[in-house]
Order: sequence, then C-alpha cells, then structure tokens
Amino acid sequence: AQSVSQHNHHVILSEAASLELGCNYSYGGTVNLFWYVQYPGQHLQLLLKYFSGDPLVKGIKGFEAEFIKSKFSFNLRKPSVQWSDTAEYFCAVNVGGYNKLIFGAGTRLAVHP
Amino acid sequence: NAGVMQNPRHLVRRRGQEARLRCSPVKGHSHVYWYRQLPEEGLKFMVYLQKENIIDESGMPKERFSAEFPKEGPSILRIQQVVRGDSAAYFCASSNSGTGETEAFFGQGTRLTVV
Repeated sequence: AQSVSQHNHHVILSEAASLELGCNYSYGGTVNLFWYVQYPGQHLQLLLKYFSGDPLVKGIKGFEAEFIKSKFSFNLRKPSVQWSDTAEYFCAVNVGGYNKLIFGAGTRLAVHP
Repeated sequence: NAGVMQNPRHLVRRRGQEARLRCSPVKGHSHVYWYRQLPEEGLKFMVYLQKENIIDESGMPKERFSAEFPKEGPSILRIQQVVRGDSAAYFCASSNSGTGETEAFFGQGTRLTVV
C-alpha cells in the first residue's frame, strides 16, 4: 500500500534560519505530490504541487520543493523562515486516477522571533 | 468567493448518540472528499463522492459510518452510535474535477469529541 513518511514531527527554528522538511513516499509508479500547510485555526492550504516536468517546484510564500525520483522524496525548503511560517505542514501524494490523497503525519513548525 | 464550509466546527456527543457533520463545497464543485485526522496522525481518506454517487468508500469503517452528497444541499457524514474512538477532526475537501491533478480545497474541519 502507498504511504508517506515525514521524518520530523516537531521542528523549532529561529527567524531567518533555513528550513528543510523531509518527505518520502512509497509507490513505484507515477505520483502527484503536494505540500499543504495548516496555520493555527485555519483550513489546509496548498503550498505547492508537482505533477511532471521540472522537479524543482516553487510555491507560495517563498517555499520550494524538489522531487527526487530515485530517492522517492519530495522535501520542502525555505531559505529564511519567518515567525508567520509557524504552522503544521503536510506532505501528500495521489497515485493518479482521482484526487484521493495519502497524507504524511505532519510536521509542526514553530518559528521563534 | 466562499471556500469549503464545514459545520459545526466543534461537536460534542455522548457515547451512543449520532453525529452529523456537514460540508458545503466550493460553489460549482461536484466532487467531495472526507478525511479523518486522529490525534498525532495525518489525515486519512474516508470517502469520495460525486453528486449523489459514492465513488470510493474504501476508507470508511464498515459499520456506523455513512456519507451522502445529495443533488441539493451539503454533503453529510453521519456517524451512528458514536464511541470514544470516533473522537477526531473530520475534514472535507472539494474539487471541480475528479482527476488527480486537480487541486482539492479543504474546509476548516469539524472536531468531534465523544464523551
């Protein structure tokens, strides 16, 4: 069965630090990959997505992610975090067909001023 | 432009009662997905509906849980005879297409607490 692993459950950073959140998936075929963010008290919002093409995708708010097929990874990065990036981040995949998403357990990021 | 609206935001039920969770998709969206998030876990797919039809209910528990998306009105996730293990956040998402490359928009969720 397909699964998604997020290695960091809690991350604490100071403002201006660089961020990298790991995401690995298990599926040998074609996948669509997503990162969602959930700010406190709000709904999940799409940060970025990868379907095909350039494996380095850029999303909103300065986030980017790189799809490395050989490593089954889709890590999220941001060069300099802000206090407003404090949120929970979810990696997700679907394996084509329709929009049935398989989520990782999430990473809670706390950014201190 | 209203997004996905879920209500109630918080729901408390005693064991054995029924819980009804409502989801109004983005206007014009005919595809609805329900997910459940247990504490310290990621969202787990429950069911996918497309106007009046259940397309995939592979994530739904076999008993006590049902979902519908009528021609008119919101989608409803119904949990009969709730138990403590049903306590979770339930999220609804909608999209305007059923393909895997379509963005799904999420609601804020309903947090169900069974006491």
